[in-house]
Amino acid sequence: LAKTTQPISMDSYEGQEVNITCSHNNIATNDYITWYQQFPSQGPRFIIQGYKTKVTNEVASLFIPADRKSSTLSLPRVSLSDTAVYYCLVVPSGGYQKVTFGTGTKLQVIP
Amino acid sequence: DAGVIQSPRHEVTEMGQEVTLRCKPISGHNSLFWYRQTMMRGLELLIYFNNNVPIDDSGMPEDRFSAKMPNASFSTLKIQPSEPRDSAVYFCASSFAVGGQAFFGQGTRLTVV
Repeated sequence: LAKTTQPISMDSYEGQEVNITCSHNNIATNDYITWYQQFPSQGPRFIIQGYKTKVTNEVASLFIPADRKSSTLSLPRVSLSDTAVYYCLVVPSGGYQKVTFGTGTKLQVIP
Repeated sequence: DAGVIQSPRHEVTEMGQEVTLRCKPISGHNSLFWYRQTMMRGLELLIYFNNNVPIDDSGMPEDRFSAKMPNASFSTLKIQPSEPRDSAVYFCASSFAVGGQAFFGQGTRLTVV
């Protein structure tokens, strides 16, 4: 199973764009890249999922280069409410079995 | 839909007691997952059901842990006997399709004293 590596923490000022990069060097052909957000005392919440190139939704964008060995979650114009832990996961097309969340990136948005 | 519903939200119990955590997945979802979260180990996948059948329980830490899914709308995670090191937040999640977006419940914070 593909292991992911992402920064432990990041700080950003309000209104800035935040980019969180995740490495997944041994990603398999059928794996998808998925990002979750977790606020304190809450369960993780799905943000975005992609396979290649670029995916955008109302919350974030996900950039995946051609080799798929890394991905970047982009949060436009963050606010204080975006302070959370962000997890990068590599999910086999067959499901979540044995998928680990890792330590995630703790994003602190500063006023 | 109210989302994934877990009960209780908080549980404090004495070492040696049996603990049962409950989960109601989102209607129509056919995959259900139990996770445990601690500061030391992060989020760990304990067990995964598909169509009510346990598919992979390799993450269950010991025989003291057991999980059941008697029907599509209910699952339990039981710890018997409980130990202080079982203290953690336990999350249940469900998804519509294998590999699809997982929806998490609010979690059960378990404290074993």
